[in-house]
Amino acid sequence: GQQVMQIPQYQHVQEGEDFTTYCNSSTTLSNIQWYKQRPGGHPVFLIQLVKSGEVKKQKRLTFQFGEAKKNSSLHITATQTTDVGTYFCAGEATSGSRLTFGEGTQLTVNP
Amino acid sequence: DGGITQSPKYLFRKEGQNVTLSCEQNLNHDAMYWYRQDPGQGLRLIYYSQIVNDFQKGDIAEGYSVSREKKESFPLTVTSAQKNPTAFYLCASSIRRGPQETQYFGPGTRLLVL
Repeated sequence: GQQVMQIPQYQHVQEGEDFTTYCNSSTTLSNIQWYKQRPGGHPVFLIQLVKSGEVKKQKRLTFQFGEAKKNSSLHITATQTTDVGTYFCAGEATSGSRLTFGEGTQLTVNP
Repeated sequence: DGGITQSPKYLFRKEGQNVTLSCEQNLNHDAMYWYRQDPGQGLRLIYYSQIVNDFQKGDIAEGYSVSREKKESFPLTVTSAQKNPTAFYLCASSIRRGPQETQYFGPGTRLLVL
């Protein structure tokens, strides 16, 4: 079945440093989504990417979808303590199929 | 987020007992999901339902059961057959608009087996 892998599992940064998490799928995806879960909270939808090579930005967050639609990345510029949490990618193999979540990258930011 | 409620927030269960977790949504979403999350782990799909009166097993359905008698409700029963039920349980619902399906999660229920 479809597998979605994320690296790294954990990342510790100093406030102000950049952060990147990578997501790789075993199959070509129709779209990929990113979610953020704050400590003790529940996942919250951030963004969806659909097109090959697509790049989207949300303030300090930059999301990319690979040309082959099998990988994606989330980059945070100049991290802040409010960025703390676990970031999940989730991929759909074909439109209408089940969403498969990666294991997440847990980000801690030292002030 | 908003419109999905799960109760209770914390639940304690004695070994050997069945327990039912509630999930209600007022978003008029067709699809609903149950996930299990263990500390420091990702989300594992237990069951999902794409329409009323129909549901499918996810990746870790053993020891769990669900029903979908109403569009807004998708309760999960953790049975005594579930060997290690202590975990954080998340319910989600979703709606599809063209190629986009976004899942909205409830606040979760933390189940602790005593």
